Formats: sequence, structure tokens, C-alpha cells
Amino acid sequence: EVQLVESGGGLVQPGGSLRLSCAASGFTFNTYIMNWVRQAPGKGLEYVSVISQTGDVTYYGNSVKGRFTISRDNSKNTLFLQMGSLRAEDMAVYYCVRGGSVNPLDYWGQGTLVTVSS
Amino acid sequence: DIQMTQSPSSLSASVGDRVTITCRASQGIRNDLGWYQQKPGIAPKRLIYAASSLQSGVPSRFSGSGSGTEFTLTISSLQPEDFATYYCLQHNSYPWTFGQGTKVENK
Repeated sequence: EVQLVESGGGLVQPGGSLRLSCAASGFTFNTYIMNWVRQAPGKGLEYVSVISQTGDVTYYGNSVKGRFTISRDNSKNTLFLQMGSLRAEDMAVYYCVRGGSVNPLDYWGQGTLVTVSS
Repeated sequence: DIQMTQSPSSLSASVGDRVTITCRASQGIRNDLGWYQQKPGIAPKRLIYAASSLQSGVPSRFSGSGSGTEFTLTISSLQPEDFATYYCLQHNSYPWTFGQGTKVENK
């Protein structure tokens, strides 16, 4: 069974940093493109970032470019999102999601809430 | 960026009704489109991929159609568990983009 379990969310002050993790199991992690998608409270879904199977290719949405870094550790089946210079508008549930263009966003984690507030 | 315009933003329907939701892409995306269902407090669930392919385990009352710029999600006979918010997603080019969502409410 595919499982994606996010962790690392919490309360952070504006301008602060946070690192999210996503532990993957039930599939061959290093053969899948992985993504982060977020959802602000009461709002729709926003695509945040993607990373290739080997980690050498990444992409970021305009709203997080230069502040967030996606990475992965294939030896530990774990996806990361390092978030910096956090703003109020970054407050959201962050989902770890499997899949690239061939089979996009097929499995989602349960999400982890990031709250940005002083 | 490709814009996805989803309509309506909300609708009221009764159990047994036929429901149709539309997504329009700002440029052609072939059939690189998926449909997702989300219930409050729960992660989205994929219903349709490649515009018209039914995700394994999803009831056959859900169907998708379209290609290019116009896409439709149809629920042939709405069931109580279908009251939720639905999103389309284009994955033709980065940044992938979602429609604004359609909330299906009980009339």
C-alpha cells in the first residue's frame, strides 16, 4: 500500500524557516517524481514544487521561487521541503504527492499544517 | 502559465441528479488533465486521469471527457458521498495549475 506521511509543520514567525519531510513507503521511491502541493485555509489547491527521481531537476512555483528548496533522500525514501523567509500567505496545509507527467498526482499524503504568525 | 477556468464555482444538486463541471484551459493541453475530489479536512483523491480514464476503484458514475481546451467531469447519478469539492488539474506544462474548484452542495 502506498503511504506518504508528512511531518514538520507547525507555528513559525514571519521571516522564519521550517523544513517539511515526507516519508514514503509501499512503492519504489527512487523511480517516482515527487511534488509538494499546498492549500491555504478555505482556499483552493496550489502547485508548489517538483523534483525528479534523482533530484537533479527541480521546479518551483513563482510564489515560492528563491525561498523554498525541494530535495530528496532516496536512501531513506524521504522527500523534503525547506521553507525560508516565510510569509503569512505561505500558511497552508502542505501535501506530499507522488507522480510526474505520465501518472500525475496519483497518491497524496494527509498533509501537514504550516502556520505563519507572530 | 496556463490558466484553468473551472465552472461553476458551486452548485446545488439532489441525490440522483446528473452533475456536470467544466474546465477550460487558456491554451491547448492535449488530454493532460485530471479531476480530483476533496472532502473537508481530507487530502484530494484522484478520480480521472488523462482527461477520460477512470482511476481504479472510482465508481463508474464518474466520467471525464474533452481534449485541447475544454474538459468536463460528469457524475451521472449523484450519491450522498459525492457532496464535495472538485478540482481539475492541468499537467501539460509547468507550473501545473488547478482550477478554482467546484463545491457540490446538497439542495
